[in-house]
Amino acid sequence: ETGVTQTPRHLVMGMTNKKSLKCEQHLGHNAMYWYKQSAKKPLELMFVYSLEERVENNSVPSRFSPECPNSSHLFLHLHTLQPEDSALYLCASSQDGSGRPDTQYFGPGTRLTVL
Amino acid sequence: DAKTTQPTSMDCAEGRAANLPCNHSTISGNEYVYWYRQIHSQGPQYIIHGLKNNETNEMASLIITEDRKSSTLILPHATLRDTAVYYCIVRATSGTYKYIFGTGTRLKVLA
Repeated sequence: ETGVTQTPRHLVMGMTNKKSLKCEQHLGHNAMYWYKQSAKKPLELMFVYSLEERVENNSVPSRFSPECPNSSHLFLHLHTLQPEDSALYLCASSQDGSGRPDTQYFGPGTRLTVL
Repeated sequence: DAKTTQPTSMDCAEGRAANLPCNHSTISGNEYVYWYRQIHSQGPQYIIHGLKNNETNEMASLIITEDRKSSTLILPHATLRDTAVYYCIVRATSGTYKYIFGTGTRLKVLA
């Protein structure tokens, strides 16, 4: 148990559905992240929020829409996804402080299957 | 691209020390070495990190060479539950939020 929870753990959706992934961190951190891990590929950073502001968006298609209402919660809203979006979606959090390494702690992930 | 290179896979007998090497020949002076592991289909788990000195915690030891161009993660008494993919990552203390994960080393602990 890392202090980062994700729901749901598994999600199956059709290409026309709209769904949301939720992440919550109980570590008092001020930065949160979404990563995507496709089969046989390294983790790819999607979005970064620091102090509730989006600070990084790595060329992610607009069908993925993040939301960070406060420093403890992070959402990933999904709509009109493609089958190739099927992957493990991981949330992480860290305490961002300039000049210090910020160890990221990951949640268990949401296994998403798009039919 | 990942700034580290690791062997694709390794085996280790249960109860023995597992030594996982990592090359990071282009590491900069302000970059730390981090180690994570990922057990099948779970989120990566933080293990340890270091800058110059060797580090030890309850999970593992990290040995960094004097020139900092390589490091070794040591699991002193490997168990079957240590079977996982182990990632070595280098990153600066500031200026970037990115962890660049490579393909890691798949460690299999054998009974």
